Amino acid sequence: EMQLVESGGALVQPGGSLRLSCAASGFTFSNYWMDWVRQAPGKGLEWVANIKGDGSERYYVDSVKGRFTVSRDNTKNSLYLQMDSLRAEDTAIYYCSTALVDWGQGTLVTVSS
Amino acid sequence: DIQMTQSPSSLSASVGDRVTITCRASQGIRNDLDWFQQKPGKAPKCLMYAASTLKSGVPSRFSGSGSGTEFTLTISSLQPEDFATYYCLQYNKYPRTFGQGTKVEIK
Repeated sequence: EMQLVESGGALVQPGGSLRLSCAASGFTFSNYWMDWVRQAPGKGLEWVANIKGDGSERYYVDSVKGRFTVSRDNTKNSLYLQMDSLRAEDTAIYYCSTALVDWGQGTLVTVSS
Repeated sequence: DIQMTQSPSSLSASVGDRVTITCRASQGIRNDLDWFQQKPGKAPKCLMYAASTLKSGVPSRFSGSGSGTEFTLTISSLQPEDFATYYCLQYNKYPRTFGQGTKVEIK
């Protein structure tokens, strides 16, 4: 059974950094594009970034370009999102997903002083 | 960026009603569109991909249609478990963009 489990969400001050992880199991991880999607409290869904199965291509929404970095370790079946220069507007639940088909339960990031 | 506009933003309906949600793209996206269902406190669930292909395990009362710039999600007979928020998503171009959501509430 395909499973995605996010971790790493926390309360962080503006300007700070955080690294989210997504542990994958139940499928051949390296075969799949992986996405990060976020949802601010009470708001809709926003696609953040994705990365190709072999890590050779990555794409980002403009609002996080230069601040967030998506990466993966196929030997550990893990996806990551390094978030730097965090802003209040980055406060959201962050979901990882296999090409937007199957989703994890999400991890909450709160950016506040 | 491609803008995705859903209508209505919310609707009230009764069990057994036929419900239709529309999603319009600001430019042509072929049929590169997914539909998602999200219940409060839960992760989104993919219902449909390629505009009209039902994901395995999704009830057949859900159907999708459209191509280009206009798409619809139809629930043929609304069930109690279908009260949720629905989102469309285009994956024709980067950045991927979602519609703003349609909340389906109990009348």
